Parts: sequence; C-alpha cells; structure tokens
Amino acid sequence: RKEVEQDPGPFNVPEGATVAFNCTYSNSASQSFFWYRQDCRKEPKLLMSVYSSGNEDGRFTAQLNRASQYISLLIRDSKLSDSATYLCVGTGTASKLTFGTGTRLQVTL
Amino acid sequence: GAGVSQSPSNKVTEKGKDVELRCDPISGHTALYWYRQSLGQGLEFLIYFQGNSAPDKSGLPSDRFSAERTGGSVSTLTIQRTQQEDSAVYLCASSRGRTNEKLFFGSGTQLSVL
Repeated sequence: RKEVEQDPGPFNVPEGATVAFNCTYSNSASQSFFWYRQDCRKEPKLLMSVYSSGNEDGRFTAQLNRASQYISLLIRDSKLSDSATYLCVGTGTASKLTFGTGTRLQVTL
Repeated sequence: GAGVSQSPSNKVTEKGKDVELRCDPISGHTALYWYRQSLGQGLEFLIYFQGNSAPDKSGLPSDRFSAERTGGSVSTLTIQRTQQEDSAVYLCASSRGRTNEKLFFGSGTQLSVL
C-alpha cells in the first residue's frame, strides 16, 4: 500500500462549482500534512498546510481526519485558474515528506 | 536569489553517457530531496538528505543513480550510463527539516537521453 494515495482524476467541473479531493495516508504517526499545486510543466508550489483544527484560506479549505487517516481539500467557487494538479503530502519516518501522485482538476466554462 | 537553484535547466545527452545534475538549496535548509517526474506522471522520490544523518536512498531506481551532498549544502545527482528511460524532469527541493516545514522546489532539470 502506498504511504499517500490520491484519486488521479481528472475532475472536470464547471466554473463556480465546489469540488473536493481526499487523500489517504497509511502512516498513523504522520504529523504534518500539506497540499501542493502543480501547473503543467512547472514545479510544485505550496498551496496550504493542513492543521488538526482545519485550515481555510479564501476559497480553499483543508481538513485532517486522523481517525480515518485522510486529508481533504475543498475548493469553492472554482475558477478557470484553479485548473492544475493537486498533490497531497504527509510526513513519515525521520520527517521525510511523501507525496501522493496528484489529482488533476480541470475547470471549464 | 533566495530560492532553490538547479542546473542545468536542460540537458540532452546520448545513451550511455554519464550526467551530473546540481542543486543549490536555500541557505540554512537541512533537508534536501531529489524527485523525478516523467511527463504526465506523479513525483517519484529518489533520495532524501537530512542534516548529518545517512541519506535515505530507498527511491534510487538502480545502482546507476547516486547522489551526494557536500558540506550539508549543494547536492549532485549523478546518473551513470544513461538510458532512454532516464529521460524526465529531475526536481530538487529543500526545507528547514523540522516538522511542519514546507518544501521549496527548484524549477528542475529536464533530462533527455537520445
């Protein structure tokens, strides 16, 4: 089983829609989680950290469910510019960060 | 600059040749990662350096791949006897290495093996 797993998508949604991605992790000792965004042919960039109490940044909300070992990302009022691949990341042993393979989002008119 | 720097940005080589890819992490960052990404695929972990600890080499795909990090700063990824399947973008990232510390990525080296 992979340490971090994501649905690869693609998720095709119209502008203005709300979309949510989940990511499961296998290491119950994982302490830190992040969502990264990667545009085509670009390097990944941090979108937001995921805190135990949840984290909201504008249209984006990230949550952590330790009991079920998953993190989620909710995007409200989707924009065309949100089209990208979203990578979830968790820490494992020795604080090593492990990436999921990413979920591709395509927002359409 | 203050970011992670990788060189070269593009490398074209012939099958069988050796290549060296360089990464300059952000000053003071103790953690350094190398990843590989083929077109349309996810990040493939290669190797992880954390301070003075022995590196985690569990992601290196074969013994043709090696990496070192000198003085806890600059890192070099070496691929010997390159094969066409080695063609990919090689990404380096660094962080302060503590829990909750985010990764900063370089813009990568596009390696093409002919």
